[in-house]
Amino acid sequence: DAKTTQPPSMDCAEGRAANLPCNHSTISGNEYVYWYRQIHSQGPQYIIHGLKNNETNEMASLIITEDRKSSTLILPHATLRDTAVYYCIVRVDNAGNMLTFGGGTRLMVKP
Amino acid sequence: NAGVTQTPKFQVLKTGQSMTLQCAQDMNHEYMSWYRQDPGMGLRLIHYSVGAGITDQGEVPNGYNVSRSTTEDFPLRLLSAAPSQTSVYFCASSMDRFPYEQYFGPGTRLTVT
Repeated sequence: DAKTTQPPSMDCAEGRAANLPCNHSTISGNEYVYWYRQIHSQGPQYIIHGLKNNETNEMASLIITEDRKSSTLILPHATLRDTAVYYCIVRVDNAGNMLTFGGGTRLMVKP
Repeated sequence: NAGVTQTPKFQVLKTGQSMTLQCAQDMNHEYMSWYRQDPGMGLRLIHYSVGAGITDQGEVPNGYNVSRSTTEDFPLRLLSAAPSQTSVYFCASSMDRFPYEQYFGPGTRLTVT
């Protein structure tokens, strides 16, 4: 599986867009990019995933660069409840060894 | 749907004791997995199952057993608890079509003294 690199922490003002970057320069052609978040003391929550096209759902948008070596998770209007650790994970989309969570980015949304 | 449920929420064990952490899901998901999370760390996979009767080891399986006799349930057994097993344990489930779109339970906080 491709290794991912994320900044350890970021701040964002409430109401502004939060842009969380992830580098995955060794990603292979059949690997998807997944994003999860973990709010303090809770189980992780699936946010979004994509292969090569940009994706959007009710929670967030995922922008993947054309060379697929990096991606950005966008929370369009961050709220205090979005304060969490955000994990970027790259996996081939088949049954295998399940997910591997790294250190993630601790996003602090401030009023 | 209740989603993924875990019991108990908190547990304190003495070294050498055994216990079973319960996990159940009502979404008819084929895949289920157990993770542990130590303070300030990411999650590490212990064991997983791709269907009833099928289990496999993850990254840190030593000291734990699992079985999957039904689609709904995936219990995790600690054979002889050790202080190094003090952690928060999360169970997750997903459909076979989207194995990495996982739904997590609320966690069990285990302390071994």
